[in-house]
Amino acid sequence: LAKTTQPISMDSYEGQEVNITCSHNNIATNDYITWYQQFPSQGPRFIIQGYKTKVTNEVASLFIPADRKSSTLSLPRVSLSDTAVYYCLVGDWGIMNRDDKIIFGKGTRLHILP
Amino acid sequence: NAGVTQTPKFQVLKTGQSMTLQCAQDMNHNSMYWYRQDPGMGLRLIYYSASEGTTDKGEVPNGYNVSRLNKREFSLRLESAAPSQTSVYFCASSARTGGYEQYFGPGTRLTVT
Repeated sequence: LAKTTQPISMDSYEGQEVNITCSHNNIATNDYITWYQQFPSQGPRFIIQGYKTKVTNEVASLFIPADRKSSTLSLPRVSLSDTAVYYCLVGDWGIMNRDDKIIFGKGTRLHILP
Repeated sequence: NAGVTQTPKFQVLKTGQSMTLQCAQDMNHNSMYWYRQDPGMGLRLIYYSASEGTTDKGEVPNGYNVSRLNKREFSLRLESAAPSQTSVYFCASSARTGGYEQYFGPGTRLTVT
């Protein structure tokens, strides 16, 4: 799977829009981009997944430029409960070669302030 | 649906003891995974099972063994626990491997003294 790079931490305020960018310069043609959210003492939870352009669901939006070398997770009007760690992963659906490891990395620690 | 369940929730072991962490999923998923998460760190893949009857090593397999008992259950065994294995262990499942959405269990907090 492609290696990803994210900011270690971010602070924002309640009600603001938060954008977290992930770099994945070595993304392969068949790779999808997936974001997970993890609260303390819980397992990660799937947020959103996309391949190109823009994907939106009830929780977030995912923006992917044409070259797909980066992606941006956008959280609209955050609240205190959005304080969590956010992970960006890149991988091919249904393919797990011997050398592929699902790499969550350290993620981005998002802290929402009142 | 319970999703992914793990037992036990907490465990304390002495160095050299053995134990098995249990994981079960009720979503009819083909693939299952075991991760460990150390304080302030991301998740690291220990072993995975792409489908029933197959298992394969992840990033940090040393000191662990796994068994895919059937489609629902995937266990992780520590044969001789070491303090370096103190961690939170998460089991996950997905329809298929690779980029498919994974569903995680609540975790097992293991302390080895």
